[in-house]
Amino acid sequence: AQKITQTQPGMFVQEKEAVTLDCTYDTSDPSYGLFWYKQPSSGEMIFLIYQGSYDQQNATEGRYSLNFQKARKSANLVISASQLGDSAMYFCAMRGKIQGAQKLVFGQGTRLTINP
Amino acid sequence: DVKVTQSSRYLVKRTGEKVFLECVQDMDHENMFWYRQDPGLGLRLIYFSYDVKMKEKGDIPEGYSVSREKKERFSLILESASTNQTSMYLCASSLAGTSRDQQFFGPGTRLTVL
Repeated sequence: AQKITQTQPGMFVQEKEAVTLDCTYDTSDPSYGLFWYKQPSSGEMIFLIYQGSYDQQNATEGRYSLNFQKARKSANLVISASQLGDSAMYFCAMRGKIQGAQKLVFGQGTRLTINP
Repeated sequence: DVKVTQSSRYLVKRTGEKVFLECVQDMDHENMFWYRQDPGLGLRLIYFSYDVKMKEKGDIPEGYSVSREKKERFSLILESASTNQTSMYLCASSLAGTSRDQQFFGPGTRLTVL
């Protein structure tokens, strides 16, 4: 079975500091994808970044980067130069083929608070 | 701009009522999903559909049913609402492609069952 674990229920960071949100995963499927989503208080899920299991390079999207360590089965999100608007819930998710369809399995989420 | 819309942002229902949550996407996506989100549990998949009139159970289908009569519309039905179905419900859609294809989410419906 596929599983995602986010061990940090909440994090508090000073504005402009970098922050790392942890994510570990478990799967026996050699082909999978890892996603990070942001959920502000308004409730919508915003896609941030994607890492494929066969991608050679760590993914980057602006201030977001993914520290992908395949052997350790971890896919940590790094946000550089944090901003007040980064305060939100963050979800790590893994996508693989389950029951013949591409499905996402989510972690429990980390609530990030950026302090001024 | 891609869009997934849900019929209500907030809904209050009574125990035993039949509840319909509607989701519409305008991206011609094959796959559609219904999740519920509860604190400390993340998002859990209720049902998904990979084609019109096709549906598959997710991880927590009990107490729910779905309907997909048209490609763009996926409905979640609570046949007899109960208080433990009070939750945030999120609809999503995606292409039927590879694991690289992201899911696009609607704004969510916060359902309270009294």
